[in-house]
Amino acid sequence: RKEVEQDPGPFNVPEGATVAFNCTYSNSASQSFFWYRQDCRKEPKLLMSVYSSGNEDGRFTAQLNRASQYISLLIRDSKLSDSATYLCVVTLNAGNMLTFGGGTRLMVKP
Amino acid sequence: EAQVTQNPRYLITVTGKKLTVTCSQNMNHEYMSWYRQDPGLGLRQIYYSMNVEVTDKGDVPEGYKVSRKEKRNFPLILESPSPNQTSLYFCASKGLAENTDTQYFGPGTRLTVL
Repeated sequence: RKEVEQDPGPFNVPEGATVAFNCTYSNSASQSFFWYRQDCRKEPKLLMSVYSSGNEDGRFTAQLNRASQYISLLIRDSKLSDSATYLCVVTLNAGNMLTFGGGTRLMVKP
Repeated sequence: EAQVTQNPRYLITVTGKKLTVTCSQNMNHEYMSWYRQDPGLGLRQIYYSMNVEVTDKGDVPEGYKVSRKEKRNFPLILESPSPNQTSLYFCASKGLAENTDTQYFGPGTRLTVL
């Protein structure tokens, strides 16, 4: 079993749609949680941190459920530019050891 | 411009021929790390370094060496590359003094070992 699991997709959605990604992690000692975005053949870039209280950044909302070891990302009003792979990341050892999920690919179509 | 640079960006080599992939950052970050990315396996951490002369193994360190003699540089060394080390490699850095977990990634090095 992978330590961080994501549905690989692809999720094909029309512009303006709302789409949700889920991620589960197996290590209950995981300390910090993030969503990264990766465009094709490019480096990952931090999209947002994830907190138990939930956090929102514009059209993006992230949620963490520690009891269920589950992380979510909601994208509202999808744009063509949101097309990318979204990586779920958990950390151990005070944030120094990162474990990435395999990524969920999103394709937003006109 | 704040950035992480890697060289080379693309490399094709043969089994057993030692190679080094360089990584440099200009943000005075204490923490640096190497990852490899493979289809179906995602990104996996190879080694990381908390500061000069301090390095630790990640999840997949076998077949790799690193060194941290200077704060800005964190080279990845493959003493005897094998075809299973064909991969896309990313270096990243993070400032420990900053109140953030943001890691800044380099542009990647695509390595092919024949």
